[in-house]
Amino acid sequence: NAGVTQTPKFRVLKTGQSMTLLCAQDMNHEYMYWYRQDPGMGLRLIHYSVGEGTTAKGEVPDGYNVSRLKKQNFLLGLESAAPSQTSVYFCASRPGLAGDLGQFFGPGTRLTVL
Amino acid sequence: GDSVTQMEGPVTLSEEAFLTINCTYTATGYPSLFWYVQYPGEGLQLLLKATKADDKGSNKGFEATYRKETTSFHLEKGSVQVSDSAVYFCALSEYGGATNKLIFGTGTLLAVQP
Repeated sequence: NAGVTQTPKFRVLKTGQSMTLLCAQDMNHEYMYWYRQDPGMGLRLIHYSVGEGTTAKGEVPDGYNVSRLKKQNFLLGLESAAPSQTSVYFCASRPGLAGDLGQFFGPGTRLTVL
Repeated sequence: GDSVTQMEGPVTLSEEAFLTINCTYTATGYPSLFWYVQYPGEGLQLLLKATKADDKGSNKGFEATYRKETTSFHLEKGSVQVSDSAVYFCALSEYGGATNKLIFGTGTLLAVQP
């Protein structure tokens, strides 16, 4: 099992450009999450999904959109990137509500917006 | 709302020293508690967890006990190694919540010197 993978690992954008971050998991997990990590702020939840075809807003959703067309994939989109979106983005997944096993994280995508 | 507070770093120790990283939480329900570790350039890995009061989570020589009376989940290790250098995150997820979202502390950087 590859676990949770993220594409790309690094990206530099100019203000106003768009991009999509891909998260894939091969563990048949129901729940998937997108976080951003900023210095001194820990991880903050952007959007999450409780199953294929569903998405919901997290703590800091503005400027981002997501889609979960397939169970194994969770896409994070930036339609018009801003310097404030410079961050490290982590995707995570978990199997479901039963037996709280915590979340499994991908390796992260480091995004710089100039 | 729910929150997690952990001691600020960096924490700098010599090899074989005793480690304590403090974590306290605020929650309205009955959360599960977690410690995650992030090694340089990597994603977060689950280190240990506890799902109810008085539970002790342990892994790789690290321990933490869920103390409901003091709302704490302090991380300890008797003898740290250079390879333990990383950022440690305390987190909670609310038991029975619809999404089991994780709420993270800001992270504590541990640097172990030989």
